[in-house]
Amino acid sequence: DTGVSQDPRHKITKRGQNVTFRCDPISEHNRLYWYRQTLGQGPEFLTYFQNEAQLEKSRLLSDRFSAERPKGSFSTLEIQRTEQGDSAMYLCASSVSGTLYEQYFGPGTRLTVT
Amino acid sequence: GQQVMQIPQYQHVQEGEDFTTYCNSSTTLSNIQWYKQRPGGHPVFLIQLVKSGEVKKQKRLTFQFGEAKKNSSLHITATQTTDVGTYFCAANFGNEKLTFGTGTRLTIIP
Repeated sequence: DTGVSQDPRHKITKRGQNVTFRCDPISEHNRLYWYRQTLGQGPEFLTYFQNEAQLEKSRLLSDRFSAERPKGSFSTLEIQRTEQGDSAMYLCASSVSGTLYEQYFGPGTRLTVT
Repeated sequence: GQQVMQIPQYQHVQEGEDFTTYCNSSTTLSNIQWYKQRPGGHPVFLIQLVKSGEVKKQKRLTFQFGEAKKNSSLHITATQTTDVGTYFCAANFGNEKLTFGTGTRLTIIP
């Protein structure tokens, strides 16, 4: 399967714990995006990378969220000191450079904070 | 901020009826994309519209981009059960990211 993969698919954690998600994009894609989606809403932009450079972060992204893409391939999204409001589906997408290209989404990681 | 409004939020149609969802922005868009998300699935790209007044067709699906590039629509003719899902528009305001609408959830009554 050469699509976007995410791991884990589901994560249940207690409030206050740290969690880390991984995304492996399509290999030839140099753009990687992270989104958050809650029930009944569209994906909400969090951040994106061009190769290893993080080019933009949403103002909605608190200091507890950090993302990396150290070698310009896979990416990780870490949430520190999780809160119940962090419960959501975290989607990763990749594309080739430029705004005229479609994004390919992974299956997502569903986070539940208890 | 840059937002895109999508209506309706829900649409229930009899199989064979037509379906339309609309996307509106107060700001001129660079381009707009449409995605479909099946229940329990992830968004899947359908189409991209770039030019003012552009119309594109994919079998029973017709996509339009307004003349002012501030609105767009997706029309499905003679819906089938396979059309079930949530349809999202995703707007590009000239930066390097997409702003998704809230989606229109389509359910089909057999």
